[in-house]
Amino acid sequence: DVKVTQSSRYLVKRTGEKVFLECVQDMDHENMFWYRQDPGLGLRLIYFSYDVKMKEKGDIPEGYSVSREKKERFSLILESASTNQTSMYLCASSIKRGLPYEQYFGPGTRLTVT
Amino acid sequence: AQSVTQLGSHVSVSEGALVLLRCNYSSSVPPYLFWYVQYPNQGLQLLLKYTTGATLVKGINGFEAEFKKSETSFHLTKPSAHMSDAAEYFCAVIRSGGYQKVTFGTGTKLQVIP
Repeated sequence: DVKVTQSSRYLVKRTGEKVFLECVQDMDHENMFWYRQDPGLGLRLIYFSYDVKMKEKGDIPEGYSVSREKKERFSLILESASTNQTSMYLCASSIKRGLPYEQYFGPGTRLTVT
Repeated sequence: AQSVTQLGSHVSVSEGALVLLRCNYSSSVPPYLFWYVQYPNQGLQLLLKYTTGATLVKGINGFEAEFKKSETSFHLTKPSAHMSDAAEYFCAVIRSGGYQKVTFGTGTKLQVIP
């Protein structure tokens, strides 16, 4: 079974803090994604990576950055957390090529910025 | 650009009744469509997907969906609701441009009434 793990289930940070969210997958997937999930808005893509050290902006990258130094690990960084970044953050991974493959999701990190 | 619309952010059904969750898509290329389910405090998991071939797709837990090109729809159904089906359901479509990126709908929360 594909396993995608996220470093924390719940996180509380203060405004202005630098926040790191870590995601690890164990199936050698090339693609990794970071989403935020808000009620009524569904999932919105923040960033994705299709290979080590490769990244592309998604739909809402402002205020976020990412790092992918190893294939299995994809980090989301909030350089200076703000209250409007309070949300559920979901990491996912998938195979890169071929027929459309599903994305495998981690359990999510619920981040509260106070 | 690809998009999905889910009609009804909340749907309530009685236990044993038919479940029907609606999804309409917009796509300029042959669509690849997915339904995901999210149980409380968990990440998303794949219910079923349509890529090519048979338009009636069967998934896990007794769910199925039918791809109807003429109606640009991919509605999710289950003949008899179970209490364990209470969750949030997301329709998604693969975006053009590669990398297995998807666009998610805003989700439908299913409540099952005993």
